[in-house]
Amino acid sequence: ETGVTQTPRHLVMGMTNKKSLKCEQHLGHNAMYWYKQSAKKPLELMFVYSLEERVENNSVPSRFSPECPNSSHLFLHLHTLQPEDSALYLCASSQDLAGAYEQYFGPGTRLTVT
Amino acid sequence: RKEVEQDPGPFNVPEGATVAFNCTYSNSASQSFFWYRQDCRKEPKLLMSVYSSGNEDGRFTAQLNRASQYISLLIRDSKLSDSATYLCVVSLPLTGGFKTIFGAGTRLFVKA
Repeated sequence: ETGVTQTPRHLVMGMTNKKSLKCEQHLGHNAMYWYKQSAKKPLELMFVYSLEERVENNSVPSRFSPECPNSSHLFLHLHTLQPEDSALYLCASSQDLAGAYEQYFGPGTRLTVT
Repeated sequence: RKEVEQDPGPFNVPEGATVAFNCTYSNSASQSFFWYRQDCRKEPKLLMSVYSSGNEDGRFTAQLNRASQYISLLIRDSKLSDSATYLCVVSLPLTGGFKTIFGAGTRLFVKA
C-alpha cells in the first residue's frame, strides 16, 4: 500500500450507531489531519495531530472523537451523529506541521447518516 | 468576509482556451499558498505551490500579489483532462502551529 488509505470508503449509519473511520499513511509523515467536505462547501479542518499529539480541534462537536495511536494511524470515532453530519470525510498527512508542506489526502469515506 | 474566496464558476471553455482563476484571502499574515486540484468524487491533490515571485509548471502559471491579497492560476492550452475543481489554499501561522484554509473551489469544464 502506498500513500494514504482510508476505510471504509462508504458508510451508512443510523443516528444511534457507533462507528469508526480509519486512516493509515505509508509516507513516514509526522502530521495527520481530518477534514469534512460537504456539498458546495469548502473543506473544513476538524482535527490536526502532530507526532500523535492533538494540536488542533476546530470546535468540532463531541460526537466526533479522534484517536491517533501512532504517527501512521488516525481514527475518527463516531457516535449519535445527526443527518447534517453526512459528508465526505477526508484524512490527510504531511511531512511536518509547518504550513508550507504539501498535504496528501486519502480517498475519503462517504458517510450517510439516516 | 470569507477567509479564502473563490469564484465558484463553473467555467466552461473549449479545448485550447486559456482560463484564469482568482482567489482572495482576508488575513495579511497568511504565509503559504497553494493550488490543489480535485476531480469529481476524488480527493484533492496538490497542483502547485505559489511563490512570491510567481511560478510556472508547463501550462500552469501561479501568481501571488501580497499587497492585494490575491492569488491567481492561469491554465494555457486547456485539455479535456483539466476538467476539475481547483482549490485555493492558504496557510496562516498561529501560535504553536498553523491553520490551513481551503477555498470552496472553482469548477472548470473543458469541452471538445
